[in-house]
Formats: sequence, structure tokens, C-alpha cells
Amino acid sequence: GENVEQHPSTLSVQEGDSAVIKCTYSDSASNYFPWYKQELGKRPQLIIDIRSNVGEKKDQRIAVTLNKTAKHFSLHITETQPEDSAVYFCAAAGGFKTIFGAGTRLFVKA
Amino acid sequence: GAVVSQHPSRVICKSGTSVKIECRSLDFQATTMFWYRQFPKKSLMLMATSNEGSKATYEQGVEKDKFLINHASLTLSTLTVTSAHPEDSSFYICSAPRAGRDQETQYFGPGTRLLVL
Repeated sequence: GENVEQHPSTLSVQEGDSAVIKCTYSDSASNYFPWYKQELGKRPQLIIDIRSNVGEKKDQRIAVTLNKTAKHFSLHITETQPEDSAVYFCAAAGGFKTIFGAGTRLFVKA
Repeated sequence: GAVVSQHPSRVICKSGTSVKIECRSLDFQATTMFWYRQFPKKSLMLMATSNEGSKATYEQGVEKDKFLINHASLTLSTLTVTSAHPEDSSFYICSAPRAGRDQETQYFGPGTRLLVL
């Protein structure tokens, strides 16, 4: 069945450094790749997304890249801040169905 | 923006009882809603797709008689955990895309924490 793998499971960075989270997907029909940030006990919030006709997208300190041939996509956070600490989920969607990665727990140390 | 609410936010029940969780889209219509289960420090696991006016579609391994889903209107889906057991304790989250617009973007409810004693 469809699968999304996400790495690393835990990431610890110093404030101001960059953080990179990588995902791979298996379903060739996936054409939409959102990233969610989930703080403890709260709902996932969409932070950025990318569609399969685009290779890269940037929004301030956050950027996503997509390599459709290799079925890889990545989240890049630059100049990390303590408030970036959370769990980040990648996802791959084709039509209505969305499959989530296992999540990456990001710790930003002040 | 699109708002999805869930009720209740948390519930504690005795083993063997049934619990109903509501998911509402407050400012948009949703012909489809999704129900997820999330264990502590784990990812969101899709349980089922709720379809307005028709039967829900369940993921492999999810018991449809255990987790009853009803999508009675374009703004409401309910998940009923029947004969709950301690292993059903979890965080249940619903999500909905906007019908007719940007259908991939999911709007999540705040979640319901279920504890079965």
C-alpha cells in the first residue's frame, strides 16, 4: 500500500542553525505534499505545501523541495528559533487521500 | 479561514460503554471528512473516510462495527466508538477539505482525547 517515510525521527539543533527533514513516498499518483507542524496536545497546522508541478517553494524561513522522479521531498527551516520546536509531519496526497509520515520531533536549543 | 471543531475535547468513559465524537466544519461545507487516530508521540493514522450521504470507507485493519461513522450533513460527521475498551484510548482527530475548493488542503479539528477505564 501507499507509504511515506520520514527522517530523522528526532532532530536537535542550536538556535539559528538550519533544520532539514526528508521524506520519501511510494504512490506515483501523489501530487500534493503538505507539511504540518503539531505542538504538544494541539491539532496539526499546515505550514507549507508544494504541488507536483513545482520543484521548490519558499515562505520566509521555510522552504520545501520536491524531486518527483526520485519521490523525495524535503522541508528546510533556516534561522531556527525556540518556537520552531514541535513535531513536523510530511504528507503525500493523491486526490482526497492523505498519507502522513511518522513525524520528526524538532528541538531548537536556545 | 476554514474552521473545524470537535466535541468533546476530552472524554473519560467506562469499559463497555459507547462514546460519540462530533466533527463539524463551521464555515464551509465538507462532503468528505477524515478520521485519524494518534497515539502518543506517533503519527496520524487514517482510520476512515466519511462521505456525506453514503457509507464510510474504512482503512485496512479498522473495524467498521467498532468505529461507527455517520456523515449526516455537509457540516457534520460523527465517530462512535462502540463497546470501548482501554486499548481504544487515544487521541482522535478529524479533518476536512473544503468542498469544491482546493480539495487537497486539510483543515484539522482540535482533537478528542479518549480515555477508557
